[in-house]
Amino acid sequence: EVQLVESGGGLVQPGGSLRLSCAVSGFAFSSYSMNWVRQAPGKGLEWVSHISTGSNTIYYADSVKGRFTISRDNAKNSLYLQMNSLRADDTAVYYCASRLYGSGNYWGQGTLVTVSS
Amino acid sequence: QSALTQPASVSGSPGQSITISCTGTSSDIGSYNYVSWYQQHPGRAPKLMIYDASNRPSGVSNRFSGSKSGNTASLTISGLQAEDEADYYCSSYTSSSTYVFGAGTKVTVL
Repeated sequence: EVQLVESGGGLVQPGGSLRLSCAVSGFAFSSYSMNWVRQAPGKGLEWVSHISTGSNTIYYADSVKGRFTISRDNAKNSLYLQMNSLRADDTAVYYCASRLYGSGNYWGQGTLVTVSS
Repeated sequence: QSALTQPASVSGSPGQSITISCTGTSSDIGSYNYVSWYQQHPGRAPKLMIYDASNRPSGVSNRFSGSKSGNTASLTISGLQAEDEADYYCSSYTSSSTYVFGAGTKVTVL
């Protein structure tokens, strides 16, 4: 069974930092590019970041560039998102997702990040 | 990268067919077949309904179908059922090697 389990969300003050993790099982993690997608309360889905299988290629949405860092550990079947300089508009449910094309398009249940003083 | 354009809402009676459009540009939908459609019920994670514009994952009802023409993709739900009431999002790969989503369409079963 495919499972993607996010963790690390919570309440953080503006300007603070948070590190999200995503533990993957049930598919060949090291063979899949991975993504983070977020959804602000009552809003639509927003792609955040992408990392290739070997971490050679990384992309970010303009809204998070310079503040967020995506990484992965293929030995641990895990994906990460380091979020710094957090702002109120970063408040969202953050989803870990595999490649966003093809049939191997898997999503986690999400973790809520709330940025508020 | 601007969001893909979807209608805010679409409605239909049980048993009817509805179609949701998703319009992009030549830099995303128009250049790639990497268009996906997701169904999302309140408080739940998105569920993949269509991948690569017209392919249905195992386990998804054949009442859901997808197509693409030019810069526009479409999702059709035939034989509309109460359980289909949800938000639907399209997404596409882009020429910038990123992804873009539509703003979402709320489907209401009358």
